[in-house]
Amino acid sequence: DTGVSQDPRHKITKRGQNVTFRCDPISEHNRLYWYRQTLGQGPEFLTYFQNEAQLEKSRLLSDRFSAERPKGSFSTLEIQRTEQGDSAMYLCASSLTSQKTQYFGPGTRLLVL
Amino acid sequence: SQQGEEDPQALSIQEGENATMNCSYKTSINNLQWYRQNSGRGLVHLILIRSNEREKHSGRLRVTLDTSKKSSSLLITASRAADTASYFCATDAAGGGADGLTFGKGTHLIIQP
Repeated sequence: DTGVSQDPRHKITKRGQNVTFRCDPISEHNRLYWYRQTLGQGPEFLTYFQNEAQLEKSRLLSDRFSAERPKGSFSTLEIQRTEQGDSAMYLCASSLTSQKTQYFGPGTRLLVL
Repeated sequence: SQQGEEDPQALSIQEGENATMNCSYKTSINNLQWYRQNSGRGLVHLILIRSNEREKHSGRLRVTLDTSKKSSSLLITASRAADTASYFCATDAAGGGADGLTFGKGTHLIIQP
């Protein structure tokens, strides 16, 4: 399978704990995006990388959130001191710089108790 | 905040009928895309229409774009049970803004067999 993969697919954690999600983009794609989707809503943009550089961050990305893409391949999204409001589906997508179409992974569903 | 609004929020039709969904957005765009999301899954790209295009076809899909009204429609002809999903429009803002897509809240389409 050469699509975007995300791990884990589901995560249940207690409030105050830290969680980390991983995204592996399509191998030749140099852009990688993170989105958050809550129930009944469309995805909301969080941040994106061009290779290893994080070029843009949404105001939704509080200081408890950090994303990395150290070698320009896979990316991690960490949430520190999780809150119940962080419960959502976290989606990763990738694309080529020259293309506007984004290819999405299956998402990581986070539940904060 | 979300750029677009899909209309209707939910739509239930009989298999074989045509389904039409509408999307309105707020700011000038470079292009508009439609994505499909099956329950609890990632998003799948359906079609992209550029701001200088008025209509585009792909298989059973027909998309129109009216930039003067800031609106788009997605028509699915001869619907099938497998078309049951949520459909989102997504815009790419003009003027060098965020490279993340801005999604609407989606239309939940149910095809009755």
